[in-house]
Amino acid sequence: EDKVVQSPLSLVVHEGDTVTLNCSYEVTNFRSLLWYKQEKKAPTFLFMLTSSGIEKKSGRLSSILDKKELSSILNITATQTGDSAIYLCAGGGEYGNKLVFGAGTILRVKS
Amino acid sequence: SQTIHQWPATLVQPVGSPLSLECTVEGTSNPNLYWYRQAAGRGLQLLFYSVGIGQISSEVPQNLSASRPQDRQFILSSKKLLLSDSGFYLCAFDRSLYGYTFGSGTRLTVV
Repeated sequence: EDKVVQSPLSLVVHEGDTVTLNCSYEVTNFRSLLWYKQEKKAPTFLFMLTSSGIEKKSGRLSSILDKKELSSILNITATQTGDSAIYLCAGGGEYGNKLVFGAGTILRVKS
Repeated sequence: SQTIHQWPATLVQPVGSPLSLECTVEGTSNPNLYWYRQAAGRGLQLLFYSVGIGQISSEVPQNLSASRPQDRQFILSSKKLLLSDSGFYLCAFDRSLYGYTFGSGTRLTVV
């Protein structure tokens, strides 16, 4: 059975800190690893990773995939209170097809 | 542009009552469509997915059913709600290289 495991389950940091969120996966015919940010309602897309070792960046957020270790990390530097959210990791067997989600990491950034 | 609409946003229903949640997609044809449920503050569980009109696959046995009467319409239903059906329901469609796009969600409380 396919599964995605995220750690930690929750995290409290202070503004300005750097955080690293972890995701490991076991997905049949793995093709892609996706990260989403969820505040109050619908998750919003952050990154899709398909190639090992290539970092994707968007502002203070970055992510990288390690296919050998079946894992990915999401880094957030210089955290702000607006980064407080649930961060979801998902594995896909084909592009976007039937994503398997992890339980999420609840991040709280204190001012 | 491709958009997804989901309604209602919130719903409070008594145990034993029926349920109908609707989701429609615009700006694309023949999308893969998905219904997920999210327990309070946690990850997403895939309930149903559809690759075309009338084609529904169920991921977990439950008190719910889904239908796809039109290409861009996906409906989640129940004949008799249980307390355990409470949760946050999300509809999504597959945007391939951009992962999923989610609807705004329906928060269902069964009382």
